[in-house]
Amino acid sequence: EAQVTQNPRYLITVTGKKLTVTCSQNMNHEYMSWYRQDPGLGLRQIYYSMNVEVTDKGDVPEGYKVSRKEKRNFPLILESPSPNQTSLYFCASRRAALSFYEQYFGPGTRLTVT
Amino acid sequence: GQQVMQIPQYQHVQEGEDFTTYCNSSTTLSNIQWYKQRPGGHPVFLIQLVKSGEVKKQKRLTFQFGEAKKNSSLHITATQTTDVGTYFCAPLGNAGNMLTFGGGTRLMVKP
Repeated sequence: EAQVTQNPRYLITVTGKKLTVTCSQNMNHEYMSWYRQDPGLGLRQIYYSMNVEVTDKGDVPEGYKVSRKEKRNFPLILESPSPNQTSLYFCASRRAALSFYEQYFGPGTRLTVT
Repeated sequence: GQQVMQIPQYQHVQEGEDFTTYCNSSTTLSNIQWYKQRPGGHPVFLIQLVKSGEVKKQKRLTFQFGEAKKNSSLHITATQTTDVGTYFCAPLGNAGNMLTFGGGTRLMVKP
């Protein structure tokens, strides 16, 4: 089954403790991205990757890192999480960088930073 | 990314009533996609509009792209409880790679 998976689905952590949210897709998609969703603010893009070893900042990249060493995986790294990073995070992928392709979303990771 | 305003933010309807959400931009859009997110779920692709004045239908859902390609709408005829969720428009960015999402319209349907 074609899908985007994220782990963990729920995470409660403390300020400053490094964490990684994994994202994997099995559709051989070139393009992957991370979004955060906050009430009243919709979906905002954090980082995106147009292919292996090619990443770029989205609208809200501060406090986040990403890497794309393999085509299928695109982990999101929070080196020193802060409470304002409490949010619902979605990973997404699509066939190629051009936005003419539909985007597939993972199930989401709900992160709470205390 | 490309900025769009989506209205209304919330809409309560009685089951059987119609519903419309609008997506407005101050600049010309190349294309626009629509997504639906059920409560507790993730966004799911519904449709893409590319041509000026384009109208596409999916059963009770009608999607339109304005003649000037600056606005788009989603109309649901005779809503059902299964239509509950948040509907997002997502226009194509100028560089062709960033999909920026509108704030969404949350639809609630009373049975």
